[in-house]
Amino acid sequence: DTAVSQTPKYLVTQMGNDKSIKCEQNLGHDTMYWYKQDSKKFLKIMFSYNNKELIINETVPNRFSPKSPDKAHLNLHINSLELGDSAVYFCASRASTDTQYFGPGTRLTVL
Amino acid sequence: AQSVSQHNHHVILSEAASLELGCNYSYGGTVNLFWYVQYPGQHLQLLLKYFSGDPLVKGIKGFEAEFIKSKFSFNLRKPSVQWSDTAEYFCAVTMPNDYKLSFGAGTTVTVRA
Repeated sequence: DTAVSQTPKYLVTQMGNDKSIKCEQNLGHDTMYWYKQDSKKFLKIMFSYNNKELIINETVPNRFSPKSPDKAHLNLHINSLELGDSAVYFCASRASTDTQYFGPGTRLTVL
Repeated sequence: AQSVSQHNHHVILSEAASLELGCNYSYGGTVNLFWYVQYPGQHLQLLLKYFSGDPLVKGIKGFEAEFIKSKFSFNLRKPSVQWSDTAEYFCAVTMPNDYKLSFGAGTTVTVRA
């Protein structure tokens, strides 16, 4: 059983389009995250939700909007995609021990 | 916010060589420390973690790390690397019960057969 799953794994789209990435965790954790990993492998936190409530909102363009319908799901919607949005996006889930578990990633390519 | 420094950007070694990757953090209080590994094209996986107790922590795949509080360091070691250890290695730090995990910039390790 996959603990943290993301869909899709790959996403190729044109500039200006709107797209969503979905994340689900079956670990029973209360807290979930979105990270962006750029081409230099640097990991940057974007958002975090705890029990459906936004608790971390880093300096991210407001074209990015997270949504948490329940504590097992955290989706990321991106409006008006730009070339610079091309990256790998990782979802993660946090245990009460502070350990985070990562999803397989979604490689977004904006053409 | 925590600052995490990984000194080596890219390390290249031969199989059976020993590996040590440096990690330093900035916060002077109690911290939880992690090393994650990312194999090519894959997601981050936890190698090991330190919360308290014995400062020498053993993880999966023969890795270990030593927490030295006086040096604000948590260096990762492996006595004898294999080709399959080729990956990106990330050090990460959080304060206990803090929701934010701060990552270092990562170290690319290339092991030549």
